[in-house]
Amino acid sequence: EAGVAQSPRYKIIEKRQSVAFWCNPISGHATLYWYQQILGQGPKLLIQFQNNGVVDDSQLPKDRFSAERLKGVDSTLKIQPAKLEDSAVYLCASRFRELAGGGDTQYFGPGTRLTVL
Amino acid sequence: GDSVTQMEGPVTLSEEAFLTINCTYTATGYPSLFWYVQYPGEGLQLLLKATKADDKGSNKGFEATYRKETTSFHLEKGSVQVSDSAVYFCALSDQSYGQNFVFGPGTRLSVLP
Repeated sequence: EAGVAQSPRYKIIEKRQSVAFWCNPISGHATLYWYQQILGQGPKLLIQFQNNGVVDDSQLPKDRFSAERLKGVDSTLKIQPAKLEDSAVYLCASRFRELAGGGDTQYFGPGTRLTVL
Repeated sequence: GDSVTQMEGPVTLSEEAFLTINCTYTATGYPSLFWYVQYPGEGLQLLLKATKADDKGSNKGFEATYRKETTSFHLEKGSVQVSDSAVYFCALSDQSYGQNFVFGPGTRLSVLP
């Protein structure tokens, strides 16, 4: 079974530029997450999709970040314009379905390391 | 809101030493608990999980028991190897918060030969 795919793996941009990340979840996984992992910290949820609908985007800085999952499969996360503090690893994860008790497993992609200069 | 606290690292051990990484949580409902591991240059991988009180998760010699009375999920391994060097994240998923995951800050483990 193929894992969660992300691209690019690395990106270096200057502040005020735009950047986009792509994620393809495991086939059949209805739930998709984007996380921001700043160096030395745990992942922080940015947005959660269930199929092509947004379940939770309460921690997404909507003035500069946007995400979509138009066909309920792959997803893109965009930052426009980028700030220095956006330097982080952006992780995508997927989960098969929501189960009572939350026990179903999340599978993570390798992440995209963003450096903003 | 929900939160996860882990012991600060880095933790440095000699090969074959006993490992404990403490994890405690605060949650509104009855969360599921997880340990994820991140090897250098790689994404997070699920190490083990427990979905209800008194459950014990285990994998690759690691184990953790869901203790509701102490709100803890400490990770243990009886004999660590150099290949266990990684960052370990404790996490919870709480039904009452839409099953979103909350991660601890991570604990870096270095095992010396």
